[in-house]
Amino acid sequence: QKEVEQNSGPLSVPEGAIASLNCTYSDRVSQSFFWYRQYSGKSPELIMSIYSNGDKEDGRFTAQLNKASQYVSLLIRDSQPSDSATYLCAFKAAGNKLTFGGGTRVLVKP
Amino acid sequence: GAVVSQHPSRVICKSGTSVKIECRSLDFQATTMFWYRQFPKQSLMLMATSNEGSKATYEQGVEKDKFLINHASLTLSTLTVTSAHPEDSSFYICSFIAAHTDTQYFGPGTRLTVL
Repeated sequence: QKEVEQNSGPLSVPEGAIASLNCTYSDRVSQSFFWYRQYSGKSPELIMSIYSNGDKEDGRFTAQLNKASQYVSLLIRDSQPSDSATYLCAFKAAGNKLTFGGGTRVLVKP
Repeated sequence: GAVVSQHPSRVICKSGTSVKIECRSLDFQATTMFWYRQFPKQSLMLMATSNEGSKATYEQGVEKDKFLINHASLTLSTLTVTSAHPEDSSFYICSFIAAHTDTQYFGPGTRLTVL
């Protein structure tokens, strides 16, 4: 079993709709979770970090964490074509190392 | 603005040559930096953790004699791919965690193509 599981997609979303991305992880010890966005040919950029169970909102993005279910999700409201990218879920393991999922490709269609 | 720079952004080399990639933190002192590799349509794979003033720690399956890491100062880490071969062609990305934060900042990446 992979440490971080994500649906590879592509997730096709009409412009203005909500994109919902899911991620499950196997490390029960981890306390820090992250969502990164990566455009093709570019390096990842941090969208959101979340440490506590529940929701965390930042602009059009909402991260949800459920440690009991080992599940973290990302909602993108009012999706824009510029949101088309690969979204990487990650958790921080021992030694400050980040373990990444395979990423979900999102396509927002005008 | 960018807090991590990498140079070069793109390099093409012949098989058997060595390539050095530089990673600089621009606004922070970085005691720990990370080197990742990303093959097309795959996620980032951690290669090694680079600690200032000490030897790097390599992940399982990464050859330390092939991927030489030097972290000689708090603002500079280098990765040298020695005797590069076509299978080493990849996107190499450095990152570091700023002191007193939980945030990992990524460099813009270096696209290596070995002919």
